Amino acid sequence: GAGVSQSPSNKVTEKGKDVELRCDPISGHTALYWYRQSLGQGLEFLIYFQGNSAPDKSGLPSDRFSAERTGGSVSTLTIQRTQQEDSAVYLCASSFNSAGNNSPLHFGNGTRLTVT
Amino acid sequence: AQTVTQSQPEMSVQEAETVTLSCTYDTSESDYYLFWYKQPPSRQMILVIRQEAYKQQNATENRFSVNFQKAAKSFSLKISDSQLGDAAMYFCASMNYGGSQGNLIFGKGTKLSVKP
Repeated sequence: GAGVSQSPSNKVTEKGKDVELRCDPISGHTALYWYRQSLGQGLEFLIYFQGNSAPDKSGLPSDRFSAERTGGSVSTLTIQRTQQEDSAVYLCASSFNSAGNNSPLHFGNGTRLTVT
Repeated sequence: AQTVTQSQPEMSVQEAETVTLSCTYDTSESDYYLFWYKQPPSRQMILVIRQEAYKQQNATENRFSVNFQKAAKSFSLKISDSQLGDAAMYFCASMNYGGSQGNLIFGKGTKLSVKP
């Protein structure tokens, strides 16, 4: 089947605008993760959804960032009032469950966000 | 807090030769997992190899192997018979046992170039 799908692939927006990034995980995967990768950096955890449980939002950098996952499938990451420091690649990943090593992450190709 | 350090921002290897990428980590936990991920220009993160800290035997996946030195907290990746398709960013990551994969801690990466 298809892998993790993210859209758009690239997004250029003006400072102050809101943006929505979409992630379509692998069918049947209950866990979904959002990461941010700034230039020259590793991945920074943002938020994690597991089934119907309350999401782990501990990685969100500010209240301008929010995410939802509808019907346990598609997820949308929303950044309000974008700032230039929000420019990064936003990666989504899913896994069959959250049980660590026995359920490897499958990543999408990411959305490159550029805030001008 | 967990930290992962990759001290080589860039590495280069001749096709068919062997290269070793370095990674050190710091954790107060006794049980944890270690990973190497590959990120080609497509931006998709691909799991290369993983190691459970309680296993003394070094993990091997075809041309990829690790040298896991638990006392030294070192986890290097060896790529044998390097191929042009191995050119990518390589990220080392760690995760405490029992944690969700949202708790993956990544290093800043090593850019590997393969010369024909």
